[in-house]
Amino acid sequence: GAVVSQHPSRVICKSGTSVKIECRSLDFQATTMFWYRQFPKQSLMLMATSNEGSKATYEQGVEKDKFLINHASLTLSTLTVTSAHPEDSSFYICSAREVRGVNTEAFFGQGTRLTVV
Amino acid sequence: DAKTTQPPSMDCAEGRAANLPCNHSTISGNEYVYWYRQIHSQGPQYIIHGLKNNETNEMASLIITEDRKSSTLILPHATLRDTAVYYCIVRVNTGGFKTIFGAGTRLFVKA
Repeated sequence: GAVVSQHPSRVICKSGTSVKIECRSLDFQATTMFWYRQFPKQSLMLMATSNEGSKATYEQGVEKDKFLINHASLTLSTLTVTSAHPEDSSFYICSAREVRGVNTEAFFGQGTRLTVV
Repeated sequence: DAKTTQPPSMDCAEGRAANLPCNHSTISGNEYVYWYRQIHSQGPQYIIHGLKNNETNEMASLIITEDRKSSTLILPHATLRDTAVYYCIVRVNTGGFKTIFGAGTRLFVKA
């Protein structure tokens, strides 16, 4: 299947700093990417839908100024957690869907574990 | 997207078939049934999907009832590596579809 790569896989940062997470589709072009976060022993929560060349669509309750999403190319979307605080510590996962066809599956990255200290 | 209901956890003996049920009584005619799994600290992995016919691939089989209100994912010979959280999701398959995850079923495969 298609490959979606996230980087970094783990990051520890100090409170108040910003962290950027990259999501790349390695062997296909993705017009749409999705960002999720997951707390321990809980399900994935969709944060936003990222569309190439346009603004992201955020789910209700997700602060767009806190979680900045950029989807500048068909193979790369980035999520920046701004002014991170310990409560932002979580597992962040992206997924990407191919451009071709209408019934194309979305593939998931391996996730990024963010710890804010 | 229609809501799904899954048991929170299940056990299965290694080598036996694991049958994971999912109820989706409010599914619409254009919604597909998707199954994913998530092994601890990894991203979700697509398993299989179907509309109304039963489907089989190298990983699993998907049995959808005739009224489409429920389905069962079958792992024919479960291994310890199949221990994971399994998510049943129903959604449309065209346009700007997005995948919304429920609580899933935590499957424990035991030796």
